Amino acid sequence: AQSVAQPEDQVNVAEGNPLTVKCTYSVSGNPYLFWYVQYPNRGLQFLLKYITGDNLVKGSYGFEAEFNKSQTSFHLKKPSALVSDSVLYFCAVRPSTPDSWGKLQFGAGTQVVVTP
Amino acid sequence: GAVVSQHPSRVICKSGTSVKIECRSLDFQATTMFWYRQFPKQSLMLMATSNEGSKATYEQGVEKDKFLINHASLTLSTLTVTSAHPEDSSFYICSASNRQGGGYGYTFGSGTRLTVV
Repeated sequence: AQSVAQPEDQVNVAEGNPLTVKCTYSVSGNPYLFWYVQYPNRGLQFLLKYITGDNLVKGSYGFEAEFNKSQTSFHLKKPSALVSDSVLYFCAVRPSTPDSWGKLQFGAGTQVVVTP
Repeated sequence: GAVVSQHPSRVICKSGTSVKIECRSLDFQATTMFWYRQFPKQSLMLMATSNEGSKATYEQGVEKDKFLINHASLTLSTLTVTSAHPEDSSFYICSASNRQGGGYGYTFGSGTRLTVV
C-alpha cells in the first residue's frame, strides 16, 4: 500500500530558528514528491517538488527539501523561520507508475507555529 | 503562472437540493482535473479524477451518483453534489494537472466551503 506520513501534527519554532517539517513515504517505483502550504479556508499553494536529479530541491520563500531515497524521506527545511511561515504544510507523493493517473496522495498535514 | 479558478468560494444550501461547483483553468489546458474533499483539520481526500471528454474515475467509497463530475472542455470541470445532506458539508478543492514548463505540476483552486442546512 502507498502512503505518506507526516509524523508531527504541529511544529513549534521560535522566529529566526531553523524549521524542519518531516515527511516519509512508501510508494512503488520512483516517486514524485511535493510540498504545499494551505492558508485557512484556501486551496493549496505550491512550495517545491522533486521529480528527478539533484536530491536537494530549492523552492519558494527560502524553503528547501532533500530527497533521501534510502530513508524514503522528503523533509522540508528553512534556515530561519518567520512568523509568516505559520501555516499548514502538506507533503504529497505521486507514484511514477502509469496506473497512478497522476493522482497525488497527501500526508495528514503539519501545522507550523512560529513565535516571535 | 498557472491559475485555477474555483467558484463559488462558499455556498449554503438546503438539504435535498443540488449544488454545482466549477473549476476553471484560466491560462492553460487541463486534460486532467482532480476533486478533493477536506474535513476540518484533516488532509485532502481524493474523490475522483476527471479527464476531458470521458467519464470520471471515482475513488473507492465515493458515490458517483451523488457526486457528479463533468469535464466537458479542456478548461472546465464541474462537481455537482446531488440531493445534498448535512453530512456532505465539507471543503471541496479542485486541482488541475499542469505541465507548463515541462514539469509535473498541479495547480489548486481556492476551494469551496459547502454547508448543507
